[in-house]
Amino acid sequence: KAGVTQTPRYLIKTRGQQVTLSCSPISGHRSVSWYQQTPGQGLQFLFEYFSETQRNKGNFPGRFSGRQFSNSRSEMNVSTLELGDSALYLCASSLAPGSGVEQFFGPGTRLTVL
Amino acid sequence: AQKVTQAQTEISVVEKEDVTLDCVYETRDTTYYLFWYKQPPSGELVFLIRRNSFDEQNEISGRYSWNFQKSTSSFNFTITASQVVDSAVYFCALSEDTSGTYKYIFGTGTRLKVLA
Repeated sequence: KAGVTQTPRYLIKTRGQQVTLSCSPISGHRSVSWYQQTPGQGLQFLFEYFSETQRNKGNFPGRFSGRQFSNSRSEMNVSTLELGDSALYLCASSLAPGSGVEQFFGPGTRLTVL
Repeated sequence: AQKVTQAQTEISVVEKEDVTLDCVYETRDTTYYLFWYKQPPSGELVFLIRRNSFDEQNEISGRYSWNFQKSTSSFNFTITASQVVDSAVYFCALSEDTSGTYKYIFGTGTRLKVLA
């Protein structure tokens, strides 16, 4: 079974631009969560999608948004990029949402904002 | 409020030594879940274990063992006879279900270096 895939793996953008990251969950998994990992803040939960609906959201500004498609693939968008948005963005999939579910993580997209 | 503390930023051990990674958590809920994940240099977090708040039984899986103590709000992870392949960043995480919403809170991670 293929694991969670994320594209692109690396991205360089400049301040003010916007970016879209993509995540394909493990086949059969319907829940996708996004995390931001930075050296200073560690791993922080962004949001979770299930059945094309956002079920959960972390404490991030509205510049961070996402969506999920009917095939469970998910995209995350960051508008008006700031230097502080430079991070590793990780996607995780699970069979269903829930506080006790095992999440399977992708390799991440490393975003650099110049 | 939820909080996970991994006080050890970095640990270095020599191969075959035992090492314990500490995790202390804070939560007001009686129902919650604790996790350990491993992040090797490739960046992908790998699930190691999940424990719910009602199961305080310690667990052993090969060279890995976990000690869950609610009395001290700790969920420590021990690697016995460490190997170079164990070198990674290890994260402890907490999740609680409050009124149907939940969030995963990760600790800041402990970087383990196992030297040959």
